[in-house]
Amino acid sequence: SQTIHQWPATLVQPVGSPLSLECTVEGTSNPNLYWYRQAAGRGLQLLFYSVGIGQISSEVPQNLSASRPQDRQFILSSKKLLLSDSGFYLCAWSVTRRYTFGSGTRLTVV
Amino acid sequence: GQQVMQIPQYQHVQEGEDFTTYCNSSTTLSNIQWYKQRPGGHPVFLIQLVKSGEVKKQKRLTFQFGEAKKNSSLHITATQTTDVGTYFCAGQGTDDYKLSFGAGTTVTVRA
Repeated sequence: SQTIHQWPATLVQPVGSPLSLECTVEGTSNPNLYWYRQAAGRGLQLLFYSVGIGQISSEVPQNLSASRPQDRQFILSSKKLLLSDSGFYLCAWSVTRRYTFGSGTRLTVV
Repeated sequence: GQQVMQIPQYQHVQEGEDFTTYCNSSTTLSNIQWYKQRPGGHPVFLIQLVKSGEVKKQKRLTFQFGEAKKNSSLHITATQTTDVGTYFCAGQGTDDYKLSFGAGTTVTVRA
């Protein structure tokens, strides 16, 4: 069966520090992968999506970047975090139309 | 891409009452999906509607897709405390695999 792993679950980082969040998918090949951010009490904002290894599309200009070094691995990064980067980061995958989300990372930038 | 609007943003419901959340797209959709996010959790897929005018039921939840495939609704009857959470609709365009999520309806239940 397909599973998606996302870690860490929570993270507190100082302003200006780097960030690396990882997402891996098991049990499927060539999935579409997505990074979403959810501010507290708000909706889901699509940050990046990928249809294949090394293929990254950015939806909004921001302080973040994404990479897909392997078929089932998606990484969200930042060189220097801002306070506004705080939020709930969700990775998702799809092969058919349906999305499956990871359990998310709650990032607090202090 | 399409924009998906969802109302209301908040729904405070007395236990046992019914409520409806509505979703509208600026463009025709190939399908619309609904997700539920429990407090502190991640969105979980509930259902997908594909056909014009389609109606699907899951126990006390009734999902509808409009005839023009631009709007959808979720109706919950006899609300229970287990219905607490945020319900998102998400639309997919006719030539796009990306989902556009509505802002969500956050439901609280008074016992």
